Amino acid sequence: RKEVEQDPGPFNVPEGATVAFNCTYSNSASQSFFWYRQDCRKEPKLLMSVYSSGNEDGRFTAQLNRASQYISLLIRDSKLSDSATYLCAVSPRGYQKVTFGTGTKLQVIP
Amino acid sequence: NAGVTQTPKFQVLKTGQSMTLQCAQDMNHEYMSWYRQDPGMGLRLIHYSVGAGITDQGEVPNGYNVSRSTTEDFPLRLLSAAPSQTSVYFCTPDSGTGTYEQYFGPGTRLTVT
Repeated sequence: RKEVEQDPGPFNVPEGATVAFNCTYSNSASQSFFWYRQDCRKEPKLLMSVYSSGNEDGRFTAQLNRASQYISLLIRDSKLSDSATYLCAVSPRGYQKVTFGTGTKLQVIP
Repeated sequence: NAGVTQTPKFQVLKTGQSMTLQCAQDMNHEYMSWYRQDPGMGLRLIHYSVGAGITDQGEVPNGYNVSRSTTEDFPLRLLSAAPSQTSVYFCTPDSGTGTYEQYFGPGTRLTVT
């Protein structure tokens, strides 16, 4: 089993829709969790960290479910500009152990 | 990605050639890492450094060397390029405050023929 797994998609959603992605991790000792956004042929950019209590930033909400070992990203009122690949990252302990998922592709359709 | 520069942006090498990918940051971040990104494989850590003079191996270090003589620079050396090293390479400084949030440089696209 991969350390971090994501559904590659693509998720094709209409503008204005709500979409959610999950990312499962295998190491129960994981302590730090992140979502990154990557546009085509660009570098990943940190979207948000995921805290135990959840995290919300505008239309984006990230949550952590330790019992089931997954993190989620919810995007409300999708915009065309949200089209990108969303990577999750997990760190069990220590800087050198950050592991990235392979990403979920989102395409928002007019 | 203001504050992080990677050169070159694109490079084509022949098998067996060597080269150095440059990474420089002006954010005074202690931690720096090199990742490679390949389709279907995600981002994989090659080498990292937690400060000047300190480096360590990541998940896929074979065929690469690093050094960290200053806080600002963290070059990645390919010793003898192989087609399997065709990839996109990202340098990521990190403040090292324990949050492990990664801020990626713009990347170098390397093709080895």
